[in-house]
Amino acid sequence: GIQVEQSPPDLILQEGANSTLRCNFSDSVNNLQWFHQNPWGQLINLFYIPSGTKQNGRLSATTVATERYSLLYISSSQTTDSGVYFCAVSGTYKYIFGTGTRLKVLA
Amino acid sequence: DTGVSQNPRHKITKRGQNVTFRCDPISEHNRLYWYRQTLGQGPEFLTYFQNEAQLEKSRLLSDRFSAERPKGSFSTLEIQRTEQGDSAMYLCASSLKEGASYNEQFFGPGTRLTVL
Repeated sequence: GIQVEQSPPDLILQEGANSTLRCNFSDSVNNLQWFHQNPWGQLINLFYIPSGTKQNGRLSATTVATERYSLLYISSSQTTDSGVYFCAVSGTYKYIFGTGTRLKVLA
Repeated sequence: DTGVSQNPRHKITKRGQNVTFRCDPISEHNRLYWYRQTLGQGPEFLTYFQNEAQLEKSRLLSDRFSAERPKGSFSTLEIQRTEQGDSAMYLCASSLKEGASYNEQFFGPGTRLTVL
């Protein structure tokens, strides 16, 4: 099956710093999503991005499907950005999740 | 709010008891999924419905687990004879089948199960 690797596993930032999270996947996919899991466990949709580049406020994402990776950029980080960021990919319907990047933003 | 809802949000039970969780998907979504998440891991796929038909079950779903979506709307996940290893967050997601491959999933808040 498809393998998904995320890096770094843990990240600590000062408020205002920028960061890049990476997701590598082992096979071609039709769907790719980035999620933020808040401290209560809710998965919040950030981007649906099987290819190309998207931006939403301080967040942006790029997926290079031919090279099997995706990047999530967080600019001017805030303490509310803390949590776990998951990349998930699928061929058809079921998503395979990476193990996440745990981000802590310090005030 | 018309997002995915799950009930209960928390369930504490004793080993050997049966539990049932409910998921209400986004109203126009015809696909529904159950995932399980243990501490420190990403969610893992359990099962998938398109309308009322259960189209795939993961090998993680032992014979103590059963899921239904009787009218193609809400779904229930039942665990019989719970074991301590069943303690996890159970997540439900839904999506709308559009086109050949588009599948953006939206997740509910989850049900956190603790088996004592």
